[in-house]
Amino acid sequence: GAVVSQHPSRVICKSGTSVKIECRSLDFQATTMFWYRQFPKKSLMLMATSNEGSKATYEQGVEKDKFLINHASLTLSTLTVTSAHPEDSSFYICSASDGAVGYTFGSGTRLTVV
Amino acid sequence: GQNIDQPTEMTATEGAIVQINCTYQTSGFNGLFWYQQHAGEAPTFLSYNVLDGLEEKGRFSSFLSRSKGYSYLLLKELQMKDSASYLCAVMDSNYQLIWGAGTKLIIKP
Repeated sequence: GAVVSQHPSRVICKSGTSVKIECRSLDFQATTMFWYRQFPKKSLMLMATSNEGSKATYEQGVEKDKFLINHASLTLSTLTVTSAHPEDSSFYICSASDGAVGYTFGSGTRLTVV
Repeated sequence: GQNIDQPTEMTATEGAIVQINCTYQTSGFNGLFWYQQHAGEAPTFLSYNVLDGLEEKGRFSSFLSRSKGYSYLLLKELQMKDSASYLCAVMDSNYQLIWGAGTKLIIKP
């Protein structure tokens, strides 16, 4: 089946630094990738939708200058959390679609900002 | 607005059967998904229903009634490893997934 690889699985960074999270579709071309954030005991919150080669579409309330998304190829999307602060600590999950119905999730990244 | 409702938490006994309900109100409908999520991990796909009726897959079954805006996930022969959160999600007319808050299922010996 379709596999999406997400790295790193865990990262601890200092406040003010930037962190990049990668999401790769290993055996299919991901025309669309989604980035989610999940707080403890809460549902997934869609942050942005990115299509290969075009700018990401951000959900209301998500700062596009803080959460930089790049989808330069059909198999790779990156989320960069810039100037991270403790309130950015969360579980970030990507998912990818090949255009058919269905989404494949990455394994998630636990970000802790200290 | 769009809304997905499912119980916050349920408790069941190992070996028993449990049914997790999900009701939805969305702008359009292009299918309903059930995902399982263990603590600290990403969701994993369980089922997809787009037509009314019951879909069976091993110990798990999922039912859909589009006219009632209702689905359930049925788990049989419960095992301790089934302790997890179960997320209901509906794909709306824009092919966006609308997520429920999840049902935490606790399995007791």
